[in-house]
Formats: sequence, C-alpha cells, structure tokens
Amino acid sequence: AQTVTQSQPEMSVQEAETVTLSCTYDTSESDYYLFWYKQPPSRQMILVIRQEAYKQQNATENRFSVNFQKAAKSFSLKISDSQLGDAAMYFCAYRSARGGSEKLVFGKGTKLTVNP
Amino acid sequence: EADIYQTPRYLVIGTGKKITLECSQTMGHDKMYWYQQDPGMELHLIHYSYGVNSTEKGDLSSESTVSRIRTEHFPLTLESARPSHTSQYLCASGGLAKNIQYFGAGTRLSVL
Repeated sequence: AQTVTQSQPEMSVQEAETVTLSCTYDTSESDYYLFWYKQPPSRQMILVIRQEAYKQQNATENRFSVNFQKAAKSFSLKISDSQLGDAAMYFCAYRSARGGSEKLVFGKGTKLTVNP
Repeated sequence: EADIYQTPRYLVIGTGKKITLECSQTMGHDKMYWYQQDPGMELHLIHYSYGVNSTEKGDLSSESTVSRIRTEHFPLTLESARPSHTSQYLCASGGLAKNIQYFGAGTRLSVL
C-alpha cells in the first residue's frame, strides 16, 4: 500500500521569504500523480500544484514550484515570496495512475504560518 | 461559477439521530468522493461513485451509506449517529482530465 509522509507538522516563514515543505512517499508503482493541496482554516481545500510521475520537469504554478525526485520518492513544495494568504494546512497527496484506482492517499499535513 | 457545495457546514447532534450530509457539484463531473478527516490528521476515503447508481466503499471502514441518484448529488447518511462519528467529512468530485479531485468546504460533525 502506498503511504505519504510529511515530516514537518508545522512551519513558519516571514512574509516575502521562501519556504520549502517536505513530502516523501512510498510506492512500488512507476506511474502515478502527486499533488499539493492547501486547506485554509474553515475553508475549502484547493489544489496548489500537480505533478505527473512520468514527467521529469518539475511543475510550477506562479509562486509555487515542486522539487520532484522520483528515485528518492521525494516531492517538496517551494513557496516563493510568501504572502499572508498562504497561511494554511498543506497536504501532500498521491494517486495511482492505474485504472480503477480512485483514492488520494494523503499525508498528515504541514501547518504553515506566515509572519508579517 | 462551477463549484462543489456541502451543507451543513457545522452540525451538532445527539446520539441515535439519523443525519444526512449533502454534497452537490455543478462541475459536470462523473466521479464523486467522500473523505473523513479527524482533527490534525490526514484524509481517508470512505465512499466513492463513478456515476449514477454507482457506489463503492473506500479504504476506511465507515458505518455511513451513500447514494447517487443524480449526477450532481452525492449525499452521505448516518442512520444512527454515535460520538465515534464525530469528525470532518469532505466531499470531492473529479472528471477524467488530469485526475484532479476538487473539494467542498466540508461538514464538521459533532455527535454528543
């Protein structure tokens, strides 16, 4: 069974600085998808960024980028120029690309605080 | 605007009551999901559906049941609520493109 580990329960960053959130996963599959989701307090969980395992190029979305190391099974999220609105729980998630596999496997999350 | 809606957002209820958590999406997605999330913990899939009249159990055993009579609607029912059901329940939907799941804001359930 696949597992996702986020080793940092909490992180903090100064506004305008850069922060990196860690995620490692365990799988025997070669084709899969990885996601970072953001869950603000009492608000909807939204997708931050998505990575396809067969693509070597790291995904980027504006201030958000990932460092995907397939051999090391590592998928870290870098937030540049941090803003107060980035404060939230961040969840790393894995999904198999195998047909009929529906579930997202989540890590326990990292609570990010942004200090003004 | 296409979105996914959950009601109620918060529910406090006594033991033994029957409850239904509502989930609707206007995104035109065939697939819908229910996840359970305890405070400070990860999400676990409890139910999913490929489309109308399709329901499947997820990895986490749950005493809840679901139905899918309409594409846009995927309610979750607890016949007799117990304190052990206290949790947050998140609904999600997904289409074929990019294997992305989109989440509702969740229902925070407290059973006394």
